[in-house]
Amino acid sequence: NAGVTQTPKFQVLKTGQSMTLQCAQDMNHEYMSWYRQDPGMGLRLIHYSVGAGITDQGEVPNGYNVSRSTTEDFPLRLLSAAPSQTSVYFCASSRTGYSGNTIYFGEGSWLTVV
Amino acid sequence: SQQGEEDPQALSIQEGENATMNCSYKTSINNLQWYRQNSGRGLVHLILIRSNEREKHSGRLRVTLDTSKKSSSLLITASRAADTASYFCATDAYSNYQLIWGAGTKLIIKP
Repeated sequence: NAGVTQTPKFQVLKTGQSMTLQCAQDMNHEYMSWYRQDPGMGLRLIHYSVGAGITDQGEVPNGYNVSRSTTEDFPLRLLSAAPSQTSVYFCASSRTGYSGNTIYFGEGSWLTVV
Repeated sequence: SQQGEEDPQALSIQEGENATMNCSYKTSINNLQWYRQNSGRGLVHLILIRSNEREKHSGRLRVTLDTSKKSSSLLITASRAADTASYFCATDAYSNYQLIWGAGTKLIIKP
């Protein structure tokens, strides 16, 4: 059982480039989300989805785009990378969006924008 | 703004000792969760406590919740080197779909 799989693990981008972070889960979870983690701060929610075809913005959505065409996949797109987007990104899923559900995290994607 | 704030920011103890870390939050909640993150890895769920619960146990973990003080504590008993990690609390104050995370407590267990 793979759980939540993120790719790539590491990426270096130049300012202005675009890229997609891939995320897939094999637990048939309705709820998927993307967080960024910066030093000294808690996780901040970028975007989330409560099911295929449904997405919504989190706390820090600017500069990012998402789509949810299938239950399994939830890619995160950086439209025009900026140094402020240098961070560690985590994809997560849970059975539903209810806060009482366990959240399962991917292993993270380290992104550096130069 | 941060809802959950862990205290202390860092904690270093000897193996075998107990470790206590605290989480404070600002507004009423339905649930509070604790997660562990090993260096360079994703977060792993430890325990969930609901607003109508005061204490929960899971193995060497004990979590308490005091809704009157808007705080929770995580106690790890008989610490081991493998407990070295960062520990985060998350609450659902604003929305069931948006957990609010603290900045974490970095725990180091010295052999």
